[in-house]
Amino acid sequence: NAGVTQTPKFQVLKTGQSMTLQCAQDMNHEYMSWYRQDPGMGLRLIHYSVGAGITDQGEVPNGYNVSRSTTEDFPLRLLSAAPSQTSVYFCASKEGYRGYGYTFGSGTRLTVV
Amino acid sequence: AQTVTQSQPEMSVQEAETVTLSCTYDTSENNYYLFWYKQPPSRQMILVIRQEAYKQQNATENRFSVNFQKAAKSFSLKISDSQLGDTAMYFCAFANFGNEKLTFGTGTRLTIIP
Repeated sequence: NAGVTQTPKFQVLKTGQSMTLQCAQDMNHEYMSWYRQDPGMGLRLIHYSVGAGITDQGEVPNGYNVSRSTTEDFPLRLLSAAPSQTSVYFCASKEGYRGYGYTFGSGTRLTVV
Repeated sequence: AQTVTQSQPEMSVQEAETVTLSCTYDTSENNYYLFWYKQPPSRQMILVIRQEAYKQQNATENRFSVNFQKAAKSFSLKISDSQLGDTAMYFCAFANFGNEKLTFGTGTRLTIIP
């Protein structure tokens, strides 16, 4: 049981490049979310999903796309990276509305130069 | 929109002492959850404790307990017998019942001094 697995752990991108942050969970959780963490601002919700085929926007969705084709995977796509997207990204999952709380992955530190 | 405020950016306490971290929140909802998450230097986000707003009894998990004051919209975390491994950033978070969006505070950096 690996929990929530995020890859890569570190990434450097050039402005304008695109990439996908991977997130997979093996707990059969219905709910999955992506957050970004910036200094002094806590974590902010980017996108979330309550099940396969269902996604919705969070607080800071601009510049990011998501899809949820399977229960296990919830990738986050950066369409055209900008320096403002330099951040630490966390994926999290939860066992539906009955779940006690979200389980987080170990994060991806992304730097856009 | 909900907001979560942590007014103590940094705190430090001697090992084995008790420390209380403060959190206030703003919401017009009646049913919701409150959480404390711990983020050690490893960067991992770890759920410490959860409180359901409809429960009057304060949640407790071993050395961690909360003081939930619904009318005052206050949700503090008490750590008893603090240990070096408690050194971390602590985030207070809010979620409406049935809405899976977590709103986080800006965090309190806690240092346990040997």
